Amino acid sequence: GAVVSQHPSWVICKSGTSVKIECRSLDFQATTMFWYRQFPKQSLMLMATSNEGSKATYEQGVEKDKFLINHASLTLSTLTVTSAHPEDSSFYICSARSNRESWALNTEAFFGQGTRLTVV
Amino acid sequence: AQSVTQLGSHVSVSEGALVLLRCNYSSSVPPYLFWYVQYPNQGLQLLLKYTSAATLVKGINGFEAEFKKSETSFHLTKPSAHMSDAAEYFCAVSDPGYSSASKIIFGSGTRLSIRP
Repeated sequence: GAVVSQHPSWVICKSGTSVKIECRSLDFQATTMFWYRQFPKQSLMLMATSNEGSKATYEQGVEKDKFLINHASLTLSTLTVTSAHPEDSSFYICSARSNRESWALNTEAFFGQGTRLTVV
Repeated sequence: AQSVTQLGSHVSVSEGALVLLRCNYSSSVPPYLFWYVQYPNQGLQLLLKYTSAATLVKGINGFEAEFKKSETSFHLTKPSAHMSDAAEYFCAVSDPGYSSASKIIFGSGTRLSIRP
């Protein structure tokens, strides 16, 4: 099966610092990766879509300079929360899709285990 | 724009009873539809997906869902609930086929509780 690994699983940082979250596809080429944010007891809110080698497309209301997304290779995307503040505390989840694998793999996205970010 | 609506933010059933979680979609074209399960502080696990083949889709853990175009619904069912089914369930929609713009949009989620 297709596996997406997200690291770290949890992180605590001081207000004003930056935090990087990694999302890796372990056994397939992720041509597209998605980053979601989830508040407690709420649904997943899509933050941005990134295609390998090109700039990420951000959803309305998501600050590009705040949430830096890099998708430099077909197996790695990173989300950097810059100058983090307590209101950035949340659960961040990545997912990956591929258009290079079998049809069965193309029809769905695979999710990482999420990163719990707490800014103090 | 595509969207999904999940009716009922919380559903509680007795162990062994039927589970029914409701999902209605809105899309200008026949979409792909998904049900995901999320356990506390974890990512999402795919239960099943509809991709324009059979309208009755069987998934993991005894779950199934039926795509009904006339009702724009994709309700999730399980004949007999188990304590381990307690979790958050999300219905999701995506454009059919695959393109780099095919986002997966999630419903608000339904928390399933199982009574002993």
